Amino acid sequence: SQTIHQWPATLVQPVGSPLSLECTVEGTSNPNLYWYRQAAGRGLQLLFYSVGIGQISSEVPQNLSASRPQDRQFILSSKKLLLSDSGFYLCAWSEQGSTEAFFGQGTRLTVV
Amino acid sequence: AQSVTQPDIHITVSEGASLELRCNYSYGATPYLFWYVQSPGQGLQLLLKYFSGDTLVQGIKGFEAEFKRSQSSFNLRKPSVHWSDAAEYFCAVVDSSYKLIFGSGTRLLVRP
Repeated sequence: SQTIHQWPATLVQPVGSPLSLECTVEGTSNPNLYWYRQAAGRGLQLLFYSVGIGQISSEVPQNLSASRPQDRQFILSSKKLLLSDSGFYLCAWSEQGSTEAFFGQGTRLTVV
Repeated sequence: AQSVTQPDIHITVSEGASLELRCNYSYGATPYLFWYVQSPGQGLQLLLKYFSGDTLVQGIKGFEAEFKRSQSSFNLRKPSVHWSDAAEYFCAVVDSSYKLIFGSGTRLLVRP
């Protein structure tokens, strides 16, 4: 069966420090991969999605970037964190051509 | 552009009472619609989905939702709420690029 792993679960980082959040999927090939952010009291905002290795689409301009170095690995990064980057980050995957997405457990990022 | 509106930020119901969470969507064609639930600090779990066919769809945990094209709605219902249903609920629609677009969520509180 397919599983999705996201880590770390929580992270506290100072302003101006770099960020790297990792997400991996097991049990499937060539999935669509997504990064969402959920700010306090707000809904989920799609940040990036990828339909294949090295293919990244950005939904909103921001201080973050994403990379997909391997088929089932999706990384969210920042060179210098801002206070406004705080939030709950969720990775998700779906089968190609499928509309159903499966979510990781999320990473709570607090920028101080 | 596709969008989803969940007009209720918070809803409080008594345990054992019925529940209806509202969702309205904006989409030109027949939409693919979803309801997800998020427990505190956790990822999202799919409750149910609508693609086509019967407009009343059954999901997990005793939830159901009804697609009403004339009202552009996909409201979530449960006849008798349990304390464990307290969580945040998200309605979502899939856009033409197979990306999930979420509403802002409704937080459900259950009174003993």
